[in-house]
Amino acid sequence: AQSVSQHNHHVILSEAASLELGCNYSYGGTVNLFWYVQYPGQHLQLLLKYFSGDPLVKGIKGFEAEFIKSKFSFNLRKPSVQWSDTAEYFCALCYSGTYKYIFGTGTRLKVLA
Amino acid sequence: ETGVTQTPRHLVMGMTNKKSLKCEQHLGHNAMYWYKQSAKKPLELMFVYNFKEQTENNSVPSRFSPECPNSSHLFLHLHTLQPEDSALYLCASSQGLTGTHGNEQFFGPGTRLTVL
Repeated sequence: AQSVSQHNHHVILSEAASLELGCNYSYGGTVNLFWYVQYPGQHLQLLLKYFSGDPLVKGIKGFEAEFIKSKFSFNLRKPSVQWSDTAEYFCALCYSGTYKYIFGTGTRLKVLA
Repeated sequence: ETGVTQTPRHLVMGMTNKKSLKCEQHLGHNAMYWYKQSAKKPLELMFVYNFKEQTENNSVPSRFSPECPNSSHLFLHLHTLQPEDSALYLCASSQGLTGTHGNEQFFGPGTRLTVL
């Protein structure tokens, strides 16, 4: 079955540390890939997306992600996290020609001031 | 501020009650979605509507009944729910169905449902 894996369920970092959250999917094919963030008490917001072109995509708030097709991965990175990045991060994909998001289980990030 | 609003934000109901969740999008989108978010599980797609027509029912029990009177409004009617239905119910919308040119979905804040 098609699935999205986020192996890190909880991550704790100090401010200014670098961040990388893993996202892998199970099936090859043409994909649209997304990272969403959910701050405490707020709705899901789009951080960035990839659907074609440059596999390195930049999003809001200094986040970026790299699509590596050969590894079925779309890892999220930020060189220096801030306390305000404390949130839950969700990776999602949608295969081209379909309309269903497949979400990962999410990664809770806590940044210590 | 989100372009997708949901009411109520919190709902507690007994197993014999009938209630409805409401979603409204102010983005001019034509596709709307209902999701269930349970602890430690991926978001589960429940229903998809495109131009008011249901295009997906993801094997959802009949105690959940969606209604889409127009492209801006989506309802989820609830009756005879079970305690395991307690979850956060999210509504989303998109311009065109996701999966086309990277169309993303915009989410509402959700309704936290507790079934006693």
